[in-house]
Amino acid sequence: AQSVTQPDIHITVSEGASLELRCNYSYGATPYLFWYVQSPGQGLQLLLKYFSGDTLVQGIKGFEAEFKRSQSSFNLRKPSVHWSDAAEYFCACVRAGDSNYQLIWGAGTKLIIKP
Amino acid sequence: DVKVTQSSRYLVKRTGEKVFLECVQDMDHENMFWYRQDPGLGLRLIYFSYDVKMKEKGDIPEGYSVSREKKERFSLILESASTNQTSMYLCASSPPGEARNQPQHFGDGTRLSIL
Repeated sequence: AQSVTQPDIHITVSEGASLELRCNYSYGATPYLFWYVQSPGQGLQLLLKYFSGDTLVQGIKGFEAEFKRSQSSFNLRKPSVHWSDAAEYFCACVRAGDSNYQLIWGAGTKLIIKP
Repeated sequence: DVKVTQSSRYLVKRTGEKVFLECVQDMDHENMFWYRQDPGLGLRLIYFSYDVKMKEKGDIPEGYSVSREKKERFSLILESASTNQTSMYLCASSPPGEARNQPQHFGDGTRLSIL
């Protein structure tokens, strides 16, 4: 069955340091992948998406993600985090088959920023 | 800018009560979704609707029903609330078409406690 795995429940990073959040998917064909962010007390906002083409995708708020088919990964990166990046981050992929309106979600990674 | 409004940010109800969670979107979107968000489990789809009066079960529909009498409004109903339905509930909407092309827009969530 299709699945999305975010191996890290929490990540702590110092302000100004670089960030990488991991996401692995299981799907035989090319998946359609997303990263969303949920700031405290708010709903989710789309950061970026990957469908095909260039495997390095740029998003909002200075984030980027790289699709690596050989590793079944779609990791999110930012070169220098800001305190306002403290949030929960979710990776998702489109559910294959008839239900192509739906997304399959990872469990989320909570990002904590140290001053 | 798309706005998805959930009627309550916090709600406390008693076991056995019938509970209504309301969601309204202002962008004339065809698709609307109800998710449940629990720590470590990410988002799980309860129901979604792709048109007025149309609905499909998601992954965890048991104990829930939905109503979509008007395009802009999608209601989640807990027929007889139980303590294991204590959770954060998120509503989302998207334009028509496949999920890969139409990102979902989220409300800020309703934190529901069942006592």
